Amino acid sequence: KAGVTQTPRYLIKTRGQQVTLSCSPISGHRSVSWYQQTPGQGLQFLFEYFSETQRNKGNFPGRFSGRQFSNSRSEMNVSTLELGDSALYLCASRTDSGANVLTFGAGSRLTVL
Amino acid sequence: AQSVTQPDIHITVSEGASLELRCNYSYGATPYLFWYVQSPGQGLQLLLKYFSGDTLVQGIKGFEAEFKRSQSSFNLRKPSVHWSDAAEYFCAVGILTGGGNKLTFGTGTQLKVEL
Repeated sequence: KAGVTQTPRYLIKTRGQQVTLSCSPISGHRSVSWYQQTPGQGLQFLFEYFSETQRNKGNFPGRFSGRQFSNSRSEMNVSTLELGDSALYLCASRTDSGANVLTFGAGSRLTVL
Repeated sequence: AQSVTQPDIHITVSEGASLELRCNYSYGATPYLFWYVQSPGQGLQLLLKYFSGDTLVQGIKGFEAEFKRSQSSFNLRKPSVHWSDAAEYFCAVGILTGGGNKLTFGTGTQLKVEL
């Protein structure tokens, strides 16, 4: 069974640009979550999607958005990039709502110059 | 609000020595607790989880953890560390909210293994 696939793995953007990151969950998993990892703030929850609906949202500005498609694939978008958005963005999937285990992808490393 | 504390930022042990990584949590209800490991440039890999039942849980790679409700702790242990265990370890508490769930992570403990 293929794991959680995130693309691209690495990308470099400049301030003010926008970026879209993609996540393909494990087959059969309908819930996708996104986390941001930075040296200063650690791992922080961004949002969770289940069956194309956002279930939870973390404490991030509106520049951070996401969506989920009918095949459970998810994208997150960051508009008007700031230097502080440089981070590893991790996607995770699980089978259904509830206390299931999250399986993480390898992440997308975003550098904002 | 829930929180997780990992008091040790860095730990160095010799290969073959025992290991204990500390984790304390704050959460009003029964927690779902996890330990994840992250190697450089990689995502998070689940080591073990506690949902309910036996408070001593076994995980992969020879790791175990013990849930102690009275101490709000979920410490990770391994009797004999291997050089390949060098990585960063994260404790997390999972909560159910809004019909979904989310993890709150500790700040991580970087493990160095001396040969």
